[in-house]
Amino acid sequence: EAQVTQNPRYLITVTGKKLTVTCSQNMNHEYMSWYRQDPGLGLRQIYYSMNVEVTDKGDVPEGYKVSRKEKRNFPLILESPSPNQTSLYFCASSWWDRVQYEQYFGPGTRLTVT
Amino acid sequence: AQTVTQSQPEMSVQEAETVTLSCTYDTSENNYYLFWYKQPPSRQMILVIRQEAYKQQNATENRFSVNFQKAAKSFSLKISDSQLGDTAMYFCAFMADTGTASKLTFGTGTRLQVTL
Repeated sequence: EAQVTQNPRYLITVTGKKLTVTCSQNMNHEYMSWYRQDPGLGLRQIYYSMNVEVTDKGDVPEGYKVSRKEKRNFPLILESPSPNQTSLYFCASSWWDRVQYEQYFGPGTRLTVT
Repeated sequence: AQTVTQSQPEMSVQEAETVTLSCTYDTSENNYYLFWYKQPPSRQMILVIRQEAYKQQNATENRFSVNFQKAAKSFSLKISDSQLGDTAMYFCAFMADTGTASKLTFGTGTRLQVTL
């Protein structure tokens, strides 16, 4: 089954404790992206990757890091989480198809930083 | 930079009725894509419908259709014969056509409640 997986699905942590949210896709997609969803703000892009070893900042990159060492994986790293990073996080992936373009989303990770 | 505006934070519709969700956007791009995503209580993001800006014909997917007005930069979603399973948050999204995959810019969402 074609899918984007994220782990963990739920995470409660404390300020300053480094964490990683994993994202993996089995569709051989070049493009991967991280979004955060906050009430009243919709989804905003954090970082994206056009291919292995190619990453760039989105709209809200502060406090986050990413890496793309393999095509299928795109982990999101919070080196020193703070309460304002409490949010719902989505990983997404896609390939380029002008006719049937679609970004496929993972199930989301609910992160709470206390 | 692109912006997407959904001016209806919440809407309600009775089962079997029709409802229209509004979306406007601002861009200087001539070629782009517009999307409606559905987010049910499970939080999964589900693509409902896609519209290419270069197509004049409005997209339809079963009970879902759009009214795409390029000059007015408007992209509304019409849900016909509403069902209880349509209860969800709906997001309008924009993507510039850069010749490759790129960022989706989302609106703030409209929460739709379908009632008996």
